[in-house]
Amino acid sequence: LAKTTQPISMDSYEGQEVNITCSHNNIATNDYITWYQQFPSQGPRFIIQGYKTKVTNEVASLFIPADRKSSTLSLPRVSLSDTAVYYCLVGDTYKYIFGTGTRLKVLA
Amino acid sequence: GAVVSQHPSWVICKSGTSVKIECRSLDFQATTMFWYRQFPKQSLMLMATSNEGSKATYEQGVEKDKFLINHASLTLSTLTVTSAHPEDSSFYICSGTSGGPQETQYFGPGTRLLVL
Repeated sequence: LAKTTQPISMDSYEGQEVNITCSHNNIATNDYITWYQQFPSQGPRFIIQGYKTKVTNEVASLFIPADRKSSTLSLPRVSLSDTAVYYCLVGDTYKYIFGTGTRLKVLA
Repeated sequence: GAVVSQHPSWVICKSGTSVKIECRSLDFQATTMFWYRQFPKQSLMLMATSNEGSKATYEQGVEKDKFLINHASLTLSTLTVTSAHPEDSSFYICSGTSGGPQETQYFGPGTRLLVL
């Protein structure tokens, strides 16, 4: 199982783009990369999933370099409501291991 | 995305009693469901995995006789905390997936358990 490393916390201001990078040096060939968002006292919410290059949906983009040893979640123009913990998960959905996540605080 | 519900959203019980938490997939068939526990300021920890109609597989350190899991249908799984004690107070979250290893897990809103 690939272990992930993320910054423990980040601060940003409203309207800025936020990039959260996750390191996963031991990612396996078949592993996908999945990001979740969690608000206090709520279950995690799926944000985006990708395998390589770039994936974009209505809320975020996911950038994955060719070696796939890291990935970057990009949140465009964050608002106060984006304050949450963001988790990067790599591998088989049957064996998700949640790391510490990145605690993003958006400031006014 | 797919929707998962949990009931109750919070529960307070006396030490020694049992508590049942329901997890339902509302718009998809969850062939596999997962139960997690999360203590304050900590990350989610997987407790067990269950497939419909099969016995649950528990993670190391999780007492299967204390945390009874039933996955009777493709849309319902239950977690029963038997003889609950204050140290079992936590946030319990379920999730479900409908397909293979690359299928996304969809999480429920969680259940806050407080044992007095």
